[in-house]
Amino acid sequence: DAGVIQSPRHEVTEMGQEVTLRCKPISGHNSLFWYRQTMMRGLELLIYFNNNVPIDDSGMPEDRFSAKMPNASFSTLKIQPSEPRDSAVYFCASSLEGGPNQPQHFGDGTRLSIL
Amino acid sequence: KNQVEQSPQSLIILEGKNCTLQCNYTVSPFSNLRWYKQDTGRGPVSLTIMTFSENTKSNGRYTATLDADTKQSSLHITASQLSDSASYICVVSSGGSYIPTFGRGTSLIVHP
Repeated sequence: DAGVIQSPRHEVTEMGQEVTLRCKPISGHNSLFWYRQTMMRGLELLIYFNNNVPIDDSGMPEDRFSAKMPNASFSTLKIQPSEPRDSAVYFCASSLEGGPNQPQHFGDGTRLSIL
Repeated sequence: KNQVEQSPQSLIILEGKNCTLQCNYTVSPFSNLRWYKQDTGRGPVSLTIMTFSENTKSNGRYTATLDADTKQSSLHITASQLSDSASYICVVSSGGSYIPTFGRGTSLIVHP
């Protein structure tokens, strides 16, 4: 049974370049979350989708960040232009429903380094 | 403001020993509390979930407790193993909200 799949696992790029992170949620899950994890701040929610619709994007740092979910099996998080302070591990998670009692299943993350 | 505080920030123990991790929260209204285990280079994985009416729940060598009155939870690990080395994250959900509040985690290192 495949879990949440993220790609790439590692990304190293130069400041100013566009970065696209990809996520395939667990089949049948209708809620999807993008998180950023750093040593200083821990896990921070960036955006939450329910049934492919963005419900809460208040955690998106600034206009350089955008996320899409064109269908139930795919989501992207894009940073353009990237900056060194965007360096972090980005996680995608999915759950069966959007309610608080459902566990979130996390992918193994994309480790992003902006030089 | 909803907050989750975990202690200690890091912990080193010898294999075979027990340990207890702490979580204090101010999330309201409370719905449930989860403990996640995050291995290095991996995503967090749910260990236990506790609702308001539950005081204790076990998952193998992991036992979580909840005191809803004092808004405290603990995760007790018995007879630690090298594979227990990981970060343990306390996550509290609020009733009616889809977005949980995460603690910053406790980093546990088990030495042989």
